[in-house]
Amino acid sequence: AAGVIQSPRHLIKEKRETATLKCYPIPRHDTVYWYQQGPGQDPQFLISFYEKMQSDKGSIPDRFSAQQFSDYHSELNMSSLELGDSALYFCASSSTTEDSGNTIYFGEGSWLTVV
Amino acid sequence: GENVEQHPSTLSVQEGDSAVIKCTYSDSASNYFPWYKQELGKRPQLIIDIRSNVGEKKDQRIAVTLNKTAKHFSLHITETQPEDSAVYFCAASIWSGYALNFGKGTSLLVTP
Repeated sequence: AAGVIQSPRHLIKEKRETATLKCYPIPRHDTVYWYQQGPGQDPQFLISFYEKMQSDKGSIPDRFSAQQFSDYHSELNMSSLELGDSALYFCASSSTTEDSGNTIYFGEGSWLTVV
Repeated sequence: GENVEQHPSTLSVQEGDSAVIKCTYSDSASNYFPWYKQELGKRPQLIIDIRSNVGEKKDQRIAVTLNKTAKHFSLHITETQPEDSAVYFCAASIWSGYALNFGKGTSLLVTP
């Protein structure tokens, strides 16, 4: 079965640079979530989108922004990167219309290292 | 916002024993409670979930119980195996599209 696809899987950026992460949800999933997970930490909710509109917002820094496009893929844009932004970034998706509504599936994650 | 507390933070059991992880939540509006297993550097994988209209759910060696009145839910793993060793996260959310709030995780070690 198709899963959540994230790209790139790994990236290294310097401080103050910009990074963009992409996420392709499971086909027919209408909701996308972004999470940040530091080493030894639990995943921290950043932001979510339902039908291309922001549905909930968590601890997303002002330097970060995200959107969901007409094809339901999503991008997380991170600017003025700081060392503390180094983490594993997960995208997840769910469907409000399927029988298993609200079951959230995670992608493999994108490792961001800021040096 | 929702606050999910998870205990214990580490748990070591002998192969074949049972393991129990407990979570509490604060928002009475939460009605979806999944459990994820995460191996080092890998994605969280859903192992079982329960919705607020159900008190207990079982899938082979894994079971989850929910007490909405007390706002707590638990994961039970029976006949543990070394491959069950991982970090387990409980989570809670109101509904699809809203934040899934995680507990701090339980590092489970199953020794042969």
